[in-house]
Amino acid sequence: GDSVTQMEGPVTLSEEAFLTINCTYTATGYPSLFWYVQYPGEGLQLLLKATKADDKGSNKGFEATYRKETTSFHLEKGSVQVSDSAVYFCALSDIAHMLTFGGGTRLMVKP
Amino acid sequence: EAEVAQSPRYKITEKSQAVAFWCDPISGHATLYWYRQILGQGPELLVQFQDESVVDDSQLPKDRFSAERLKGVDSTLKIQPAELGDSAMYLCASSLVGKSSYNEQFFGPGTRLTVL
Repeated sequence: GDSVTQMEGPVTLSEEAFLTINCTYTATGYPSLFWYVQYPGEGLQLLLKATKADDKGSNKGFEATYRKETTSFHLEKGSVQVSDSAVYFCALSDIAHMLTFGGGTRLMVKP
Repeated sequence: EAEVAQSPRYKITEKSQAVAFWCDPISGHATLYWYRQILGQGPELLVQFQDESVVDDSQLPKDRFSAERLKGVDSTLKIQPAELGDSAMYLCASSLVGKSSYNEQFFGPGTRLTVL
C-alpha cells in the first residue's frame, strides 16, 4: 500500500536558520503530495501542495518540489521564525483521494 | 472564517464506557472524514462520508466503533466499549467534494480522548 516516510524529530533550529524536512513516499500511480502543519492545540492546516512531477508548491516562505525520480517531496524554508514552531506532516493523496500521512516532524525554533 | 467544529475538545473516560464525539463540517461541504491520531504519529482515516453515505470505513474497528451522518450535515463517532488503546486525538475534516478531483480537507481542532 501507499506510505510516507518523514525524518524523525524534533528538529531544533535557531531563528533565521535554513530548514529542510525530508519526505519520501511509496505509491502506485501518480499521487498528489502535500505538507500539513499542526500548531499546538489546533487541527491540521494545509501548508502547500503539488499535483504532478516537477511541480513546486509554496506558501508562507515554505517550498517543496515533487520529485518523481527520487519519490521525494522535501520541505524547505530559507529563514525560519519562532512562529514556525509546529509539527509538520507530509501526505499523499491517491486516485481515490484518500490521504496517507507520514509520522510528523516536530520543529522547534529558538530565538 | 468558516471552520470545522468539534466537541468535546477533551474527554476522559474509563475503559468499557461509551463515548461519543460530534463534528459539524463547514457549511456546504459534502465530504466528511474522521481520523484517529495516536500521539507521535500521523492521522489515520477511520471513515469517509459523502453526504449521508459511507464511502470508506475499511479501517474502522466495527466491533466497537460506529459513525453516522444521518442528515448529511453533522456527524457523530461513537466508541462502545472504550479500550485503553483508543486513547488518541480524533480529528474531523471536511471538503467540498471527494470524487472527481482533490479538494482541500479542512480539519477541526480535534477531540483528545484519554481512556483510564
